[in-house]
Amino acid sequence: DTGVSQNPRHKITKRGQNVTFRCDPISEHNRLYWYRQTLGQGPEFLTYFQNEAQLEKSRLLSDRFSAERPKGSFSTLEIQRTEQGDSAMYLCASSLGGGTNEKLLFGSGTQLSVL
Amino acid sequence: SQQGEEDPQALSIQEGENATMNCSYKTSINNLQWYRQNSGRGLVHLILIRSNEREKHSGRLRVTLDTSKKSSSLLITASRAADTASYFCASVTSGTYKYIFGTGTRLKVLA
Repeated sequence: DTGVSQNPRHKITKRGQNVTFRCDPISEHNRLYWYRQTLGQGPEFLTYFQNEAQLEKSRLLSDRFSAERPKGSFSTLEIQRTEQGDSAMYLCASSLGGGTNEKLLFGSGTQLSVL
Repeated sequence: SQQGEEDPQALSIQEGENATMNCSYKTSINNLQWYRQNSGRGLVHLILIRSNEREKHSGRLRVTLDTSKKSSSLLITASRAADTASYFCASVTSGTYKYIFGTGTRLKVLA
């Protein structure tokens, strides 16, 4: 197991285009999280899943953002009609949950640049 | 903002000195965790302290938690150049599995 994997590492797109990111968590982890991070700031919560169920979504997340986790395995985050303000690092993390397993394991992130 | 606050925002020390950073959070928590992030990379978990604990140690790390003040501190003793990174606290809100991160402390350890 090589950890949480995110693809692509970098994405450059033009304003108005749609983008999709993928996250492959640790295989036995039932919880999966998406965060957004801009330069000099901490990660900002976007959404999380327990298995395939999306249990919480940030109120800051506009309708242009959608996330899925089919069959409780990998997850995708789609941004429609991208705006320059969407430029950020998008981080995925997973956890097994419960007791000492509550720590998050992060992927290396997808850096999105909207031109 | 949903984020907690950390201070200082930036800290520069000499190798061998101790580094202390503080974190405040806003809600009742199950636990509080500290993470490290090297430039351009994902975050790495350092240590977890539960809401019923007041102090915890792991190697050169010492974490304290004061739930009455909704605050925590991270002490790194005998710092090394390799400790240069950003450090974030993450509070886990009671009744959820939502991790809220602070704004971070950027630590620079000079050799």
